[in-house]
Order: sequence, then C-alpha cells, then structure tokens
Amino acid sequence: AQTVTQSQPEMSVQEAETVTLSCTYDTSENNYYLFWYKQPPSRQMILVIRQEAYKQQNATENRFSVNFQKAAKSFSLKISDSQLGDTAMYFCAFMTARYGSRLTFGEGTQLTVNP
Amino acid sequence: DAGVIQSPRHEVTEMGQEVTLRCKPISGHDYLFWYRQTMMRGLELLIYFNNNVPIDDSGMPEDRFSAKMPNASFSTLKIQPSEPRDSAVYFCASSFSLGGAGTEAFFGQGTRLTVV
Repeated sequence: AQTVTQSQPEMSVQEAETVTLSCTYDTSENNYYLFWYKQPPSRQMILVIRQEAYKQQNATENRFSVNFQKAAKSFSLKISDSQLGDTAMYFCAFMTARYGSRLTFGEGTQLTVNP
Repeated sequence: DAGVIQSPRHEVTEMGQEVTLRCKPISGHDYLFWYRQTMMRGLELLIYFNNNVPIDDSGMPEDRFSAKMPNASFSTLKIQPSEPRDSAVYFCASSFSLGGAGTEAFFGQGTRLTVV
C-alpha cells in the first residue's frame, strides 16, 4: 500500500519570502507520479505541480518548484516570492498507473501568507 | 471545457433521507473518482470508474453508499439512508489515461453535505 505523509500541519510565511513544504511517501512501485494540490478557502482542489518519478529533473511552475529525492522518497514543494493568494491547504498526492490513476493524499499543510 | 461539474454545491438533509450527488466529468476523460473529505480522515477515495465501469469500490464505507456511471458524461453517488456521520465534502474528479498511465485528476468544486 502507498502512504503519503506531510509532517507539518501548519506553516506561515511573510509575503515575498520563500517557504518549503515537506512530503514523504512510501511505495514499492517504480513508476509513479507525485502531485501538489492547493485547496484555498473556496475548497476547490487546484493542481499546483506534478512530477514523474522517471524524470530526474525537478519540476518547476513559475514560483513553484519541487525537490524530488527518489531514493529518500521525499517530495518537497518550494514557493518563492510568496503571495497572499498562496494562503491555502496544500496536499501532497501520489499516483501509480497500477492502481488506475487514483490518488493517495497526505494529511495536508495549512499555509498562511502574512502581509 | 467547463471542468468537472458537481451538483448540488450544498446539501442539507435530515437523517434517514436519501441523498444523491451528481457529477459531470470533463469530456474525453475515461477515469472518474469520488472522494470524501473530512477533518478526521482527510481526503479518501470512495470509488472510481474506468470507461464507466466501477474498478475499485473498496473505499465505500457501507452498503448505504452506492455509485453509478450510466454513461461517460454522468455519475451519481447515493447515500440511503443518510446519517450525521456522512457529513463531509464530496469531490468528484476525472482524468484520462495516457499511454496506459493516468494523468493528473481535475476536481469539481465539491458538494458539502450536512446531515442533521
């Protein structure tokens, strides 16, 4: 079974600063995908970034980047130049094609960006 | 595309009543998922379909829960009879397979269910 762990229930950061959210996972699969989803107060689940396990290069999307350490089974999210609109719950998620694209989520990290 | 569409957005019902949640996936997507979000259990998968066929319903909590996908553009999640502990946000999500592997799931806005 796959498990995803986010050990930081809450984090805060000052506007314009950088913050890193942690995520670890456990799997015996070799071919899988990792995601970070954002859930603002509107409760909409929004995809932030994805990483394919077979790619060594870390994914980046504008101010969002990941540090993917496959051997350590670690997948952290770095948000640069934090903005007030980044305030949300962030979920790390795991998917393997073996189980038909279903997602296993971590517990979530509530990020607050302070002005 | 309008994205995944769920209805209703909010539902308040009395214990014992039947509740039906609806979902229209993104056109062309062949996977559909129903998730439930609660404070206690986080986001958990209830059931998912591939090409309208239920693949894994091991996450459905009890026989009171049932899900159908009569065609590629519509799915329902029914709770009968409903209980207060069913109160949660229910998400529908869809994705499409690419080269045999799945891609990221796109979520609807969720239905907040309150059972009193």
